[in-house]
Amino acid sequence: EIVLTQSPGTLSLSPGERATLSCRTSQSLSDTFLAWYQQKPGQAPRLLTYGASSRATGIPDRFSVSGSGTDFTLTITRLAPEDFAVYYCQHYGSSPAITFGQGTRLEIK
Amino acid sequence: QVQLQESGPGLVKPSETLSLTCIVSGSSITSSSFNWVWIRQPPGKGLDWIGNVKNSGDAYYNPSLKSRVTVSVDPSKNQFSLTLRSVTAADTAVYYCARRIVGRISYFYMDVWGKGTTVTVSS
Repeated sequence: EIVLTQSPGTLSLSPGERATLSCRTSQSLSDTFLAWYQQKPGQAPRLLTYGASSRATGIPDRFSVSGSGTDFTLTITRLAPEDFAVYYCQHYGSSPAITFGQGTRLEIK
Repeated sequence: QVQLQESGPGLVKPSETLSLTCIVSGSSITSSSFNWVWIRQPPGKGLDWIGNVKNSGDAYYNPSLKSRVTVSVDPSKNQFSLTLRSVTAADTAVYYCARRIVGRISYFYMDVWGKGTTVTVSS
């Protein structure tokens, strides 16, 4: 079972700044089988990105992903007020099991 | 537009059975392109996977819950269900249903989620 570790636990930034969120996997991924979700208070998670570079429908291009092996990054350039939320990464692949990272809270500084 | 809607009691007594249903609209539950998923989130905590079910009815569960959980599909009503037996306070959570995209031999991400339903276990 692959374990996902997200860091930092909480990230405090101001609107307009750049956010870098990390997701580290316990085993090297041969491909970028990683998805990212955004969850705002009182709402369900929303799919943001999947794979090496794909954004879900309606997700602005200030959200991007990068990484390989065991280290993956979600970058949000020019933070907008609506971007402050909790972000989760999820590994997928050949197993029907679903594993999430523990989440990173992005809060307004 | 695909929508998922959870329904079920918001309060369950300890040792009893929690039953939830997810009504799917805009997508066929018999499609081989999707699995149907239950995920929960305890208060103030992260996301915990409960189980998946295929259009065939074959299900796969989180090993930590496997002895207590059943996920099933009802194609005639285009919905799927969760049953969790012998609940305790630790099962108090927001329960989400979701659609997961799958391939022939691969499992992907959840692209559509229900809004979630809060279940409290208390006497």
